[in-house]
Amino acid sequence: GEDVEQSLFLSVREGDSSVINCTYTDSSSTYLYWYKQEPGAGLQLLTYIFSNMDMKQDQRLTVLLNKKDKHLSLRIADTQTGDSAIYFCAESLGEDKFYFGSGTKLNVKP
Amino acid sequence: GAVVSQHPSWVICKSGTSVKIECRSLDFQATTMFWYRQFPKQSLMLMATSNEGSKATYEQGVEKDKFLINHASLTLSTLTVTSAHPEDSSFYICSARPLDRFSYNEQFFGPGTRLTVL
Repeated sequence: GEDVEQSLFLSVREGDSSVINCTYTDSSSTYLYWYKQEPGAGLQLLTYIFSNMDMKQDQRLTVLLNKKDKHLSLRIADTQTGDSAIYFCAESLGEDKFYFGSGTKLNVKP
Repeated sequence: GAVVSQHPSWVICKSGTSVKIECRSLDFQATTMFWYRQFPKQSLMLMATSNEGSKATYEQGVEKDKFLINHASLTLSTLTVTSAHPEDSSFYICSARPLDRFSYNEQFFGPGTRLTVL
């Protein structure tokens, strides 16, 4: 299968920016995604980026994609306690399977 | 729109029994649904791809006789865990890909089903 890797934990203070990183191995990814999972719940799509884009901004969220290094990041500006959750990056190859990273648990301290 | 439900949300069963989990797309049709398994503090692992009207495609290492998948309509897929054992305890999540797909290949995820086998 494909390898999608993330750091396991990130702790920030409320109001600071959070940056969650992800690396992937398959250069044929078509789309890359960031999902949020709150305790005991399913996955909520936060944002996505097409593989030929470098950056995408959506309100407090900024996605950066470095195709050369196969590196994806999610920046959350002005992080709030409600942003505490597990964040998964995922890649899709063609229109078929999704491969998920291990998830990064974001802890926002008041 | 694009809501996916799962039923039940949690189930506790005795070892050796079978458990059926339903995944429904409530406001859209889905020719393809996916079943994932998530262990505590781990990622989602794709178990199988379920196509309406045909046999499911299982990922390597997933026992098809253990995890029976039926995709009988464009809005319903079921996963049956047969002869469940404690090691089958996990969080099972389904997703559905709309028939009228968005350009970014999105899958819509259900809220998950927590299975505990005693």
